Amino acid sequence: EEQLLESGGGLVQPGGSLRLSCAASGFSFKSYVMGWVRQAPGKGLEYVSHIDTGGSTYYAESVKGRLTISRDNSMNTLSLQMNSLRAEDTAIYYCAKLQYFAFHVWGQGTMVTVSS
Amino acid sequence: QSALTQPASVSGSPGQSITISCTGTSSDIGGYNYVSWYQQHPGKVPRLMIYEVTNRPSGVSNRFSGSKSGNTASLTISGLQAEDEADYYCSSYTRSTTRVFGGGTKLTVL
Repeated sequence: EEQLLESGGGLVQPGGSLRLSCAASGFSFKSYVMGWVRQAPGKGLEYVSHIDTGGSTYYAESVKGRLTISRDNSMNTLSLQMNSLRAEDTAIYYCAKLQYFAFHVWGQGTMVTVSS
Repeated sequence: QSALTQPASVSGSPGQSITISCTGTSSDIGGYNYVSWYQQHPGKVPRLMIYEVTNRPSGVSNRFSGSKSGNTASLTISGLQAEDEADYYCSSYTRSTTRVFGGGTKLTVL
């Protein structure tokens, strides 16, 4: 069974940093594009970033320069380094496997709260 | 990249059919056949229902179907059931190779 398990969420002050991780299992991690989608409390889904199999990275304008996506194919792990965090970054962050340009498999999500 | 436009809410009675629209631009929906649709029940993880405009993943009921015309994509649910009550989101590949979501549509089964 394909599974994604996020970790690393928590409470952080504005301007602070946090690193999210996503452990993948049940599929050939290195062969798939992987990404992050977030959902602010009571709001809709928002694309954050994705990384292709060659390591090329892509970001939403709202996070460019502050969030960095990376992958470790030897550990089957996707990461999201989050710097200069703002209140508007408060959300559940979902890790997802992309296939045929869609988010096919989703993790359970990890909550990030940016507040003083 | 602006969000795709969806109606805030739609409703229907059991057994009826409903359609949710999703409007974008030539830089996303209109330019590519890479529209996907997601179902999300309250407090749950989103679930892929349609990809590449019309394709259903394994396990998704054939009551769900997708289409596209110009810059607007649509999700149709036929034979509406109580369990279909949820939020639905569209998404599209974009010219900048990123993705964009719609604002979401709340489906109420009367």
